[in-house]
Amino acid sequence: QVQLVQSGTEVRKPGASVKVSCKASGYTFIAFYIHWVRQAPGQGLEWMGWIYPHSGATKYSKKFQGRVTMTRDTSISTAHMELSSLRSDDTAVYYCARGGAYSGYEIDSWGQGTLVTVSS
Amino acid sequence: YELTQPPSVSVSPGQTARITCSGDALANQHVYWYQQKPGQAPVLVIYKDSERPSGTPERFSGSSSGTTGTLTISGVQAEDEADFYCQSADNRGTYVFGSGTKVTVL
Repeated sequence: QVQLVQSGTEVRKPGASVKVSCKASGYTFIAFYIHWVRQAPGQGLEWMGWIYPHSGATKYSKKFQGRVTMTRDTSISTAHMELSSLRSDDTAVYYCARGGAYSGYEIDSWGQGTLVTVSS
Repeated sequence: YELTQPPSVSVSPGQTARITCSGDALANQHVYWYQQKPGQAPVLVIYKDSERPSGTPERFSGSSSGTTGTLTISGVQAEDEADFYCQSADNRGTYVFGSGTKVTVL
């Protein structure tokens, strides 16, 4: 079965960077997009961008362009999301998720989420 | 672009809940729906306007017309209480989520 297992909770100070990992299993890693979606406490879902593991191509939300970098290591079926210049409003649960096998535009599997807390 | 949802919908058990998702992009793009229960990751319940993934109960259905997509839950059960999000994507691969609707089962 499809599994996405994310790295653990992170605490950072404002201005620092954080890198979250997402290890995929149960499917062909390079064949499906990996999306990153975040959710601030008590708030809705916010799409950050995707990476296509086969080519490494990326697409970022305009909101995060310049601050986010998505990479992958195909040898270990793992995707990474690095967010820099952290602010307190970046405190959120960050999810990696797989682009869909149905029509291509849905997100059909999600990681368990990684809590990132930004606090001085 | 934006997708607009009502903040909340309340429904009695056994009744029908309807959640709308409005946005200009939906005139040309499909809508997708996710259910999120407290402390859990979202789960896809409807894709491509009206298709159900395996595992989604038949009481969940979807439709889309013009610039509005609708998720319908027929015969609502207590376990359906959750937040629901719509999502769409444009041809350039930019995704957007709706603001979310909290469904309360009375």
